[in-house]
Amino acid sequence: EPEVTQTPSHQVTQMGQEVILRCVPISNHLYFYWYRQILGQKVEFLVSFYNNEISEKSEIFDDQFSVERPDGSNFTLKIRSTKLEDSAMYFCASTQKVRRMYTDTQYFGPGTRLTVL
Amino acid sequence: KQEVTQIPAALSVPEGENLVLNCSFTDSAIYNLQWFRQDPGKGLTSLLLIQSSQREQTSGRLNASLDKSSGRSTLYIAASQPGDSATYLCAVRPASGTYKYIFGTGTRLKVLA
Repeated sequence: EPEVTQTPSHQVTQMGQEVILRCVPISNHLYFYWYRQILGQKVEFLVSFYNNEISEKSEIFDDQFSVERPDGSNFTLKIRSTKLEDSAMYFCASTQKVRRMYTDTQYFGPGTRLTVL
Repeated sequence: KQEVTQIPAALSVPEGENLVLNCSFTDSAIYNLQWFRQDPGKGLTSLLLIQSSQREQTSGRLNASLDKSSGRSTLYIAASQPGDSATYLCAVRPASGTYKYIFGTGTRLKVLA
């Protein structure tokens, strides 16, 4: 079965450094997402991306965050200057079809654990 | 603002029991609801997706129901097995033109052999 992949599985960085988290969505999917889960807390939506642009972002997704689809397969999340509170598990997700009242199943990747020291 | 709550937060049952996990949401205006399974340190696996026009979905030993008007969904697991041990999350897609899902707090299930 096709799956979403993410690299790296674990990233350790110093506060203030830039990190790039990478995702390869399922090949025929058109909608891409980033979520995060701080340890012990709920999974939170960060951003959705469709047709090479951000379709929606949350309050968490401030100017420190950016997303990109640099080629036909990768989908990246960049954090420009990491803070301690950015430590979390970051999940990439993709879905094939979203209509006004209908959504296909969202497929999630295994996550990247980001630790900011 | 949509809030999703899951009860109980944790559950421990002997193998073979049938069990029910509950999910409630404060705003009944949703497009659909998904149930996910999360294993420790792993990603989320979609179990069942219920569109707003549907009342229930079934997959193997799993059955999920949706009562939009009362803001509730239940996940029924029949004949539980130790391999069912995981955290179960429900998530709703609000009917406000949004693409995102709002997740619940999760139920941590342990099935004892």
